[in-house]
Formats: sequence, structure tokens, C-alpha cells
Amino acid sequence: EVQLVESGGGLVQPGRSLRLSCAASGFTFDDYAMNWVRQAPGKGLEWVSGINWNSAGIGYADSVKGRFTISRDNAKNSLYLQMNSLRAEDTALYYCAKDGYGSQGAIDYWGQGTLVTVSS
Amino acid sequence: QSALTQPPSASGSPGQSVTISCTGTSSDVGGYNYVSWYQQHPGKAPKFMIYEVSRRPSGVPDRFSGSKSGNTASLTVSGLQAEDEADYYCSSYAGSNNLVFGGGTKLTVL
Repeated sequence: EVQLVESGGGLVQPGRSLRLSCAASGFTFDDYAMNWVRQAPGKGLEWVSGINWNSAGIGYADSVKGRFTISRDNAKNSLYLQMNSLRAEDTALYYCAKDGYGSQGAIDYWGQGTLVTVSS
Repeated sequence: QSALTQPPSASGSPGQSVTISCTGTSSDVGGYNYVSWYQQHPGKAPKFMIYEVSRRPSGVPDRFSGSKSGNTASLTVSGLQAEDEADYYCSSYAGSNNLVFGGGTKLTVL
């Protein structure tokens, strides 16, 4: 059974940093691209960042480019998101999400999310 | 990277069909056959419903179908059931390892 378990969320002041982690299990982690997708309270889904299986292909939403860094450790079956210079508008539930079906951007599994609140 | 455009709401009676549109540009929806659709019930993680415009993952009922014409993709739900009431999101690959989502459509079963 595929499991994606996010951690690292919490309350943080504007301008500070936070690092999210995602522990993956139930599939061959280094066979798949991974993503972070966020959802602000009461709002829609927003793709944040994606990374291919060997970290050679990485993309970021314009809203986080230059502030967030995605990475993965295939030996530890883990995905990370380093978030710097956090803003109030980064407040959201952050989902770890797995690509599937050998298709670009087809996210077949989602974690339950970790909540990030940016507030003074 | 502008969000894809979806109608905020859609509705239909049980047994009817409803279609939700998703409009992008030639840089995303129109440029790739990598459109996906997701269903999200309140308080739950999204569920994968359609990929590559019209392909259904295993376990998704064939009442759900997808299509695309030009820069607009569509999700059709036939034979509406009460449990189909949810938010629906489209997404599209946008090149250079980028993905973009639509703003979401709230589907109400009357």
C-alpha cells in the first residue's frame, strides 16, 4: 500500500524558514517523480514544486521560485521542501504527491498534508 | 504560470450528465496531452480521476470521462450520483517540469 506521510509543518513568523519532509513507502521511490502541492484554507490546489526521479529535472511555481527548494533522498525514500523567506500567503496545507502511470503531472497518490501557518 | 480557468460551480440532478470545462493556453492544455482531473471531498486529499486527457486509472467508474479540444479540456460525469458531489480540479503539464492547476469547480448534485 502506497503511503506518503508529511511532517515539519507548524506556526512560523514571516521571514523565517521551515523544512517539510515526506516519508514514502509501499512503492519503489526512485522510480517516480514527486511533487509538493498546497491548498490555502478554503481555496483551491496550487502546484508548488516537482522533482524527477534522479533530481535532474526540477520545477517551481513562480510564487515560490527563489525562496523554496525541493530535494529528495532516494536512499531514505524521502522528499523535502526547504521554505525560506516565508510570507503570510504561504499559509496552506502542503501535500506530498506522487506522479504515476508514466505520465507527466499525473498525480496518483497524495499524503494527508502538513499545515503551515505563517503569522506573527 | 497562470491558473487554468474552471467555472466556480456546476450542478445536475441524479442520473443526469454534467460537463466541467478547463481552459488554458497553447503553453499548457493546448500544447500537451497531459491533462489530469481530481475529485476532492471536504476535508479529504484529492483523488486521481483522469490522466492524459481521457484515460481512467483503475477503479474509477466509467461514468467519468475526459476530452480536449484546442486549449480547453472537459470532464463529463454521466449518471450523476449523490457521492459525486465534490470539488473537481483539472491540471496540465506546462513544460519545463512545471504543472498548473485550475481554480476548481464545486459540483452540486441537486
